Amino acid sequence: DGGITQSPKYLFRKEGQNVTLSCEQNLNHDAMYWYRQDPGQGLRLIYYSQIVNDFQKGDIAEGYSVSREKKESFPLTVTSAQKNPTAFYLCATSTGTHAGLFFGSGTQLSVL
Amino acid sequence: QKEVEQNSGPLSVPEGAIASLNCTYSDRGSQSFFWYRQYSGKSPELIMFIYSNGDKEDGRFTAQLNKASQYVSLLIRDSQPSDSATYLCVWGGAGSYQLTFGKGTKLSVIP
Repeated sequence: DGGITQSPKYLFRKEGQNVTLSCEQNLNHDAMYWYRQDPGQGLRLIYYSQIVNDFQKGDIAEGYSVSREKKESFPLTVTSAQKNPTAFYLCATSTGTHAGLFFGSGTQLSVL
Repeated sequence: QKEVEQNSGPLSVPEGAIASLNCTYSDRGSQSFFWYRQYSGKSPELIMFIYSNGDKEDGRFTAQLNKASQYVSLLIRDSQPSDSATYLCVWGGAGSYQLTFGKGTKLSVIP
């Protein structure tokens, strides 16, 4: 069953805690992305990766970190430095430039 | 700063009518344009893409692009209640992996 799997669906973070959101894909797409969506707002790019072991900061990278050790996986860590982490986080893939994005089902992160 | 402008709505149309969603963008170097549909609490899904000036039709959906006016639109014919969602206008620059998202237009189709 091909697609993009994000987990968990819901995640709660305590003050000062780092949390990691998982994103796995079996579409064999080269590029992977992390977006953040706040209510009533557009999607904002956090990080993206075009190839394994390489990634670039997006518009709002502060307080986040990523890794791309395998083509299939692009985990996002929300660090304690991110003071307002409550949002809907979306992982996406694409086949390259001029290509549309395919999204996972998302992770809703909330602060306890 | 690169931007996409969309009317946030809500746009209400009666069932069976044509819904017209509009979008303007700021970068003349834009090469690719996409429309996504997003239901509340769900992730966006790609419904149309267009690269060249003119119209592109797919079923009940028609995307229209006018690069000179920096304008892209989406027409939904025979609107159904299931079309009620937020529609995101998205564009990509030449040779870029980054896409710019509009904030979306909320469409309500009234039975």
